[in-house]
Amino acid sequence: SAVISQKPSRDICQRGTSLTIQCQVDSQVTMMFWYRQQPGQSLTLIATANQGSEATYESGFVIDKFPISRPNLTFSTLTVSNMSPEDSSIYLCSVERGVGYGETQYFGPGTRLLVL
Amino acid sequence: DAKTTQPPSMDCAEGRAANLPCNHSTISGNEYVYWYRQIHSQGPQYIIHGLKNNETNEMASLIITEDRKSSTLILPHATLRDTAVYYCIVRVGYYGGSQGNLIFGKGTKLSVKP
Repeated sequence: SAVISQKPSRDICQRGTSLTIQCQVDSQVTMMFWYRQQPGQSLTLIATANQGSEATYESGFVIDKFPISRPNLTFSTLTVSNMSPEDSSIYLCSVERGVGYGETQYFGPGTRLLVL
Repeated sequence: DAKTTQPPSMDCAEGRAANLPCNHSTISGNEYVYWYRQIHSQGPQYIIHGLKNNETNEMASLIITEDRKSSTLILPHATLRDTAVYYCIVRVGYYGGSQGNLIFGKGTKLSVKP
């Protein structure tokens, strides 16, 4: 498994501002992902955080709105830019160790964001 | 869209086995079945996964039908702390490389009652 921490655990922000969320893993991992869970909804993948190159974004998510950094194999950040109330969600990072078949993703505790 | 179909909700008495069904009739030969659960807005917790054989770990058992078109997650002795949304997900497995993202459906809300 993996021990994953996220900072902050929750925040209340004003519209138009930006928030950077940090994800730290206890050991090196190949793959890191960022998900969003809007109120009452299931999880949706935002992007794959690639170490040493730009993140790969899913349809409907763009780099200007959700810039991602991955400076090394244990750390990533997701920024939610120019926030609006529609960005109020839980943001989760997950990691995967790509060894063997059918490997597993493990999730962090999430960052609960409320935009006023 | 998610490739699985699950009942939206189920109830289970505390101490009894909880059997959560999942249909994945379009599953491909190289796709695994994964189960996660999410307890009240916490991060999803991995439970178990399998390809075609039944699997068991300290949390649960996974029974996959011979044609692999459906599966059942079994929590042998459900407790109140097992109340959660349970997600059944199918995903391609590759050796030594990225397994790709998980596509979450709506899951089954399991309520364990005293």
